[in-house]
Amino acid sequence: GESVGLHLPTLSVQEGDNSIINCAYSNSASDYFIWYKQESGKGPQFIIDIRSNMDKRQGQRVTVLLNKTVKHLSLQIAATQPGDSAVYFCAETHQGGKLIFGQGTELSVKP
Amino acid sequence: EAGVAQSPRYKIIEKRQSVAFWCNPISGHATLYWYQQILGQGPKLLIQFQNNGVVDDSQLPKDRFSAERLKGVDSTLKIQPAKLEDSAVYLCASSLDRGNTEAFFGQGTRLTVV
Repeated sequence: GESVGLHLPTLSVQEGDNSIINCAYSNSASDYFIWYKQESGKGPQFIIDIRSNMDKRQGQRVTVLLNKTVKHLSLQIAATQPGDSAVYFCAETHQGGKLIFGQGTELSVKP
Repeated sequence: EAGVAQSPRYKIIEKRQSVAFWCNPISGHATLYWYQQILGQGPKLLIQFQNNGVVDDSQLPKDRFSAERLKGVDSTLKIQPAKLEDSAVYLCASSLDRGNTEAFFGQGTRLTVV
């Protein structure tokens, strides 16, 4: 069946360090993989997406890497800031269909 | 641009009672989603609308949950009767169209069933 899961439930980093959040997926037919950020008491917020035929995509301070061979997705955050503290979800979508979320990784940034 | 509006923000009901949640998506967004997010878990899709039609409701417990988007704008999600395991945050999201990966979420309605 379809599933998107995360390797680590929590991640603690020092302010200014780089963060890497990982995700495993099982649906090879997914068209897009997406990262969302959810702060406490708020709904998820789109960060960045990557099409399935790409390996890497960069945004502002964030980079998403896709390894289709091992069905692995990662989100790299450069120079992590306290405002980056949140739960990060990977998600996938297939042909404009439902958006499936993984379990989430809680990122904690230490000052 | 106004975001996705949801109400109420919080709701506490007893089991077997009914409850309804309301969502007003971003103007012009054709696609609307309802998600259930249990504490500590990722959002689980309940139903997806494209304008006023249902695209996917495969994970909606249809014996107790119902949703509608009659005019293709606002939407309501109803639970009747509620069970203890329905305690969760119910999130509404909208996107410009199907295939858009950027969905905009409301703050959600936190439901507690006692």
